[in-house]
Amino acid sequence: KQEVTQIPAALSVPEGENLVLNCSFTDSAIYNLQWFRQDPGKGLTSLLLIQSSQREQTSGRLNASLDKSSGRSTLYIAASQPGDSATYLCAVGSSNTGKLIFGQGTTLQVKP
Amino acid sequence: ETGVTQTPRHLVMGMTNKKSLKCEQHLGHNAMYWYKQSAKKPLELMFVYNFKEQTENNSVPSRFSPECPNSSHLFLHLHTLQPEDSALYLCASSQTLAGAERAYNEQFFGPGTRLTVL
Repeated sequence: KQEVTQIPAALSVPEGENLVLNCSFTDSAIYNLQWFRQDPGKGLTSLLLIQSSQREQTSGRLNASLDKSSGRSTLYIAASQPGDSATYLCAVGSSNTGKLIFGQGTTLQVKP
Repeated sequence: ETGVTQTPRHLVMGMTNKKSLKCEQHLGHNAMYWYKQSAKKPLELMFVYNFKEQTENNSVPSRFSPECPNSSHLFLHLHTLQPEDSALYLCASSQTLAGAERAYNEQFFGPGTRLTVL
């Protein structure tokens, strides 16, 4: 059974700092991995999708990497801003059925 | 309307009520999903529909009844719910490649319906 873990559960950093969010999964036979952002009480915003054949994806200040063999993905946020404050969710697609398994999320606070 | 929309945004119901949640996607996708997000628990998949056919039921109690009349609309019919069913219910959609590959791509989510069962 696939399990997804995100560490840390919460993170507080000063504005401008570069930071890394971690996601680990127990079954390396994944189909894809998706990073989301969720603001309080809101839906999810897709940030990056990495297919199983890819090693990384970049969008603006965000870079996500995937290492299937070690069961890890990282989300790198460069030059963090207060507007980046949100909960970041990692989700693993374990097969070609569309089913995503989510981690608990990392709640990020960027202080001005 | 753009993206994925959900109505109502907030719903309060008693345990004996019957209500329905509605989701509509304006992205031309052919797969739609229902997820449940409870406090302090990971987001949990409930149902998957692909080309209007249900392809996943994640052991969801029968008091939750999904309906997908076409690829753009998805409903979740609720009846005889319990207080522990109170949660944020999220709908998502994605584009699927037809044929044997059936590759599921990036999922896009709606804003959710905050459900409170009294």
